[in-house]
Amino acid sequence: EIVLTQSPGTLSLSPGERATLSCRASQSVPSSYLAWYQQKPGQAPRLLIYGASSRATGIPDRFSGSGSGTDFTLTISRLEPEDFAVYYCQQYAGSPRTFGQGTKVEIK
Amino acid sequence: QITLKESGPTLVKPTQTLTLTCTFSGFSVSTPGVGVGWIRQPPGKALEWLALIYWDDDKRYSPSLKSRLTITKDTSKNQVVLTMTNMDSVDTATYYCAHTIVGATGAFDYWGQGTLVTVSS
Repeated sequence: EIVLTQSPGTLSLSPGERATLSCRASQSVPSSYLAWYQQKPGQAPRLLIYGASSRATGIPDRFSGSGSGTDFTLTISRLEPEDFAVYYCQQYAGSPRTFGQGTKVEIK
Repeated sequence: QITLKESGPTLVKPTQTLTLTCTFSGFSVSTPGVGVGWIRQPPGKALEWLALIYWDDDKRYSPSLKSRLTITKDTSKNQVVLTMTNMDSVDTATYYCAHTIVGATGAFDYWGQGTLVTVSS
């Protein structure tokens, strides 16, 4: 089973700042089958990034993903008020399709 | 337009069996590449992947819960059903179903709104 570790647990930033979220895998994720989701309180997760770096339909270009192997990054170039939420990474290279424990991006 | 919706009991007693139904529209679970998965989230905690069924009836389960889970599909009804036996208070969570398609995003690109299941006597 691939274990995903996200850091930091909480990121305190101001609107307009850049956010950098990390997701580290316990073993290499084949073919970069790594996704990022955003979840707001009381809502279902929303797919942001798949294949480590491809934006899902309708996702603004301030969201970008990068990385390969065991180290992946989600970057939000300039935080908008609606971006304050919890972000999860997930690998879907095999079974089980594990999630990270999440990073909360909060308003400073 | 793809939509999914979970349904089932909101309250179950310890040791009972939980049956959740995911009813969807906008796709068929018999289309090559399509899968429907279940994910849960205890209050205030992280997402946990539970199970996934593919168009060809291939089924995958979380190793830690495999003995308690069964996932099935009914193509004619556009439904996927998850059963979980021997429920306990630690299974209290919001349960989501989600769509995936091999060869496209591969990730869960559409999600239901979730249904909160509380386990209590």
